[in-house]
Amino acid sequence: QKEVEQDPGPLSVPEGAIVSLNCTYSNSAFQYFMWYRQYSRKGPELLMYTYSSGNKEDGRFTAQVDKSSKYISLFIRDSQPSDSATYLCAMSPGGSGAGSYQLTFGKGTKLSVIP
Amino acid sequence: DGGITQSPKYLFRKEGQNVTLSCEQNLNHDAMYWYRQDPGQGLRLIYYSQIVNDFQKGDIAEGYSVSREKKESFPLTVTSAQKNPTAFYLCASSMSGGSNQPQHFGDGTRLSIL
Repeated sequence: QKEVEQDPGPLSVPEGAIVSLNCTYSNSAFQYFMWYRQYSRKGPELLMYTYSSGNKEDGRFTAQVDKSSKYISLFIRDSQPSDSATYLCAMSPGGSGAGSYQLTFGKGTKLSVIP
Repeated sequence: DGGITQSPKYLFRKEGQNVTLSCEQNLNHDAMYWYRQDPGQGLRLIYYSQIVNDFQKGDIAEGYSVSREKKESFPLTVTSAQKNPTAFYLCASSMSGGSNQPQHFGDGTRLSIL
């Protein structure tokens, strides 16, 4: 089993739709969870950063973490064509020991929002 | 503007040649990282540095080397020993090397073989 699983898509939705992007993971040590957005030929841009379980909202974006199910989600409301990109989930363990900083990434989901 | 600058955007390597990718940050971050991104794969860590004059191997360090002589600079050399160097290389930095510090990325260098 891969440490982080993410459906690669592609996912195509009409403008204005609610988008749900998901990752599952197997390592119960993960404590910090991130979502990055990556446009073609660009570096990943940090969208959301959460610690442990719960929800976090920022504008049209909501990140959810369910540690009991080892499942994280990113919701995008009122999706726009400018949201068309690849979305990467990433996570890291807590603590201060060796490797605590190290991010494990999903392979990314390619999203297209059609006008 | 504060950020991470990677250069060049595109680089070509001949057989047996070493090439160096530049990464500079003006965010005053202590920690810096190099990742490799291949199509259909997640980002994989090559090297990281938590502080000047110190760096550690990541998951795929073979065929690569780094230096960290200045806080703002973390160049990556792709040596001739790296047999499959074609990839998108991403540099990142974080305020410190702790797990509670998010990593921010540059816009990458695409390396191809001539």
